[in-house]
Amino acid sequence: EVQLLESGGDLVQPGGSLRLSCAASGFTFTTYDMSWVRQAPGKGLEWVSTISAGGSNTYYADSVKGRFTVSRDNSKNTLYLQMNSLRAEDTAVYYCAKSLACRPSCHSFDYWGQGTLVTVSS
Amino acid sequence: DIVMTQSPDFLAVSLGERATINCKSSQSVFYSSHNKNYLAWYQQKSGQPPKLLIFWASIRESGVPDRFSGSGSGTDFTLTIDSLQAEDVAVYYCQQYYSTPALTFGGGTKVEIK
Repeated sequence: EVQLLESGGDLVQPGGSLRLSCAASGFTFTTYDMSWVRQAPGKGLEWVSTISAGGSNTYYADSVKGRFTVSRDNSKNTLYLQMNSLRAEDTAVYYCAKSLACRPSCHSFDYWGQGTLVTVSS
Repeated sequence: DIVMTQSPDFLAVSLGERATINCKSSQSVFYSSHNKNYLAWYQQKSGQPPKLLIFWASIRESGVPDRFSGSGSGTDFTLTIDSLQAEDVAVYYCQQYYSTPALTFGGGTKVEIK
C-alpha cells in the first residue's frame, strides 16, 4: 500500500525557515518524480515544486522560486522541502504527491499525503 | 502559465441526477504528437487530500466508479457525474500538466446535494 507521510509543519514567524519531510513507502520511490502542492485555508490547490526521480532536476512555482528548495534522499525514501524567507501568504497545508506512472510521462498525481500545516504569523 | 477556469463555482444537484462541471484552459493542452490532452480531474472531500479521478482528460483512474467520466479536447473539458450519490459531495478540481513543470489547477467546483 502506497503511503506518503508529511511532517515538519509548524507556526513560524515571517522571515523564518522550516523544513518539511515526506516519508514514502509502498512503491519504488526512486522511480517516480515527486511534488509538493499546497492549499491555503479555504482556497484551491497550488503546485509548489517538483523533483525528478533521480533528484537531478528541480522545478518551482514563481511564487516560491529562490526561497524554497526541494530535495530527496532516495536511500531513505524521503522527500524534503526547505522553506526560507517565509511570508504570510505561504500559510497553507502542504501535500507531497506522487506522479502517476504513464507514458508519455505525466505530472498528474495518483497518491497524496494527508498534508502538514504551515502557519506563518507573528 | 496556463490559466484554468472552472464553472460553476458551486453546484447543487439532486440525488440520482447528473452533475456537469466545466474547465477551460487559456491555451490548448492537446499535445498533437502524443494525441493526448494533458488534463486531470481530482475530487477533494472535506478534510481529505485530493483524489485522482481522471487523467488524459478521459481515462478513469483505477477504482473510480464509472459514473464519473471526463470529456473534451483542446481548451474545453467536462467532468460528468452520472446519478449523483451522497458520497460525491466534494470540491472538484481540474489540472493541466501540458506546461510541465508549471502545473496549474482550476479554482474548484463545490458539489452539494439539492
